[in-house]
Amino acid sequence: AQRVTQPEKLLSVFKGAPVELKCNYSYSGSPELFWYVQYSRQRLQLLLRHISRESIKGFTADLNKGETSFHLKKPFAQEEDSAMYYCALSGPPTSESASKIIFGSGTRLSIRP
Amino acid sequence: DSGVTQTPKHLITATGQRVTLRCSPRSGDLSVYWYQQSLDQGLQFLIQYYNGEERAKGNILERFSAQQFPDLHSELNLSSLELGDSALYFCASSVAATPYEQYFGPGTRLTVT
Repeated sequence: AQRVTQPEKLLSVFKGAPVELKCNYSYSGSPELFWYVQYSRQRLQLLLRHISRESIKGFTADLNKGETSFHLKKPFAQEEDSAMYYCALSGPPTSESASKIIFGSGTRLSIRP
Repeated sequence: DSGVTQTPKHLITATGQRVTLRCSPRSGDLSVYWYQQSLDQGLQFLIQYYNGEERAKGNILERFSAQQFPDLHSELNLSSLELGDSALYFCASSVAATPYEQYFGPGTRLTVT
């Protein structure tokens, strides 16, 4: 079954400390993987996509196919990083499941001053 | 507002009733996606329309239906409402037929009493 698991509902770290938001997935084949973020009183928005290999707002995510993980990392947390983070996957572009995004349950990241 | 818009923001109705939620995509976007976010099910993909045609279906109940009009706005119709249909309903849009670069609306909060 296709599934995205975010084991932590809440993660609280001090400003300046490293952050790692965990995401594990289950998918037969090669999925497209994403991280979405929702800041307080703002819309859900795409943070990054694994294929782009970009660093957005200092965040990176490495796809580990062996461990079926896509953890989100940032070396030094900032207070403005406090938000709800969702890991998600969908099928590759040519597949029937390309549009059927599956979201994890989300992790609330709280950065303490 | 050039982003995705949704109306109404809030909706309170009784069990057994029917409601219609409206979504206007970003200018130039051809795809519209509908999602349901509830406490027990999390964020779930319901259905996608691309340029007026249904493109993908997710976990959408038979009591729910959607359509996309020639001006590309979309409506989600929910009928025979049950208490469990209470949720936040999001719409998103993208230029392409895939959701890899989708933009979310603010959501409609539906409360069924």
